[in-house]
Amino acid sequence: NAGVTQTPKFRILKIGQSMTLQCTQDMNHNYMYWYRQDPGMGLKLIYYSVGAGITDKGEVPNGYNVSRSTTEDFPLRLELAAPSQTSVYFCATSPGGNSPLHFGNGTRLTVT
Amino acid sequence: RKEVEQDPGPFNVPEGATVAFNCTYSNSASQSFFWYRQDCRKEPKLLMSVYSSGNEDGRFTAQLNRASQYISLLIRDSKLSDSATYLCVVNKGNTPLVFGKGTRLSVIA
Repeated sequence: NAGVTQTPKFRILKIGQSMTLQCTQDMNHNYMYWYRQDPGMGLKLIYYSVGAGITDKGEVPNGYNVSRSTTEDFPLRLELAAPSQTSVYFCATSPGGNSPLHFGNGTRLTVT
Repeated sequence: RKEVEQDPGPFNVPEGATVAFNCTYSNSASQSFFWYRQDCRKEPKLLMSVYSSGNEDGRFTAQLNRASQYISLLIRDSKLSDSATYLCVVNKGNTPLVFGKGTRLSVIA
């Protein structure tokens, strides 16, 4: 039972490159979330999903895209990386909207 | 008023001390409350849920004050290993849980 798995753990991108951050869960949770956390700052919600086929924007969605074709997977896509997207990205899941979240270990992304 | 507000700290306390953090929230209809702990460069981890009647888990006590719209976390007999950032989390109707920016605690030997 792995819980929430994020890959890669670290990545360095050049400006303008694209990449997909992977998040997969084996807890059969309906809700999945993507957050970013800049150094010394709080968590900011990028996108979330309440079930397969449904996604919604969070607080800071610009520059990102998501899809949710299965319950298990919720990838986050960066199309044109910018230095402002340098951050730590956390994926999280929960069984319901008011339930506590379970986080993955995070992906540290640097855009130079 | 911000949705969820916390004193960023840092709170620097000696080992063995008792320390308390408060967190205020703006939505009077909020029903779910949690405290998370985040260690430096790690993911947040659930510390405890906060129930209406208050609840205790070992050295940790959580309280909810609906009239004044705040929750609190009390840590007794602080350990060096309690050093971390403590995040207050509140629900906001049908939208995702809202995280506070956290209160940093440093327990000193």
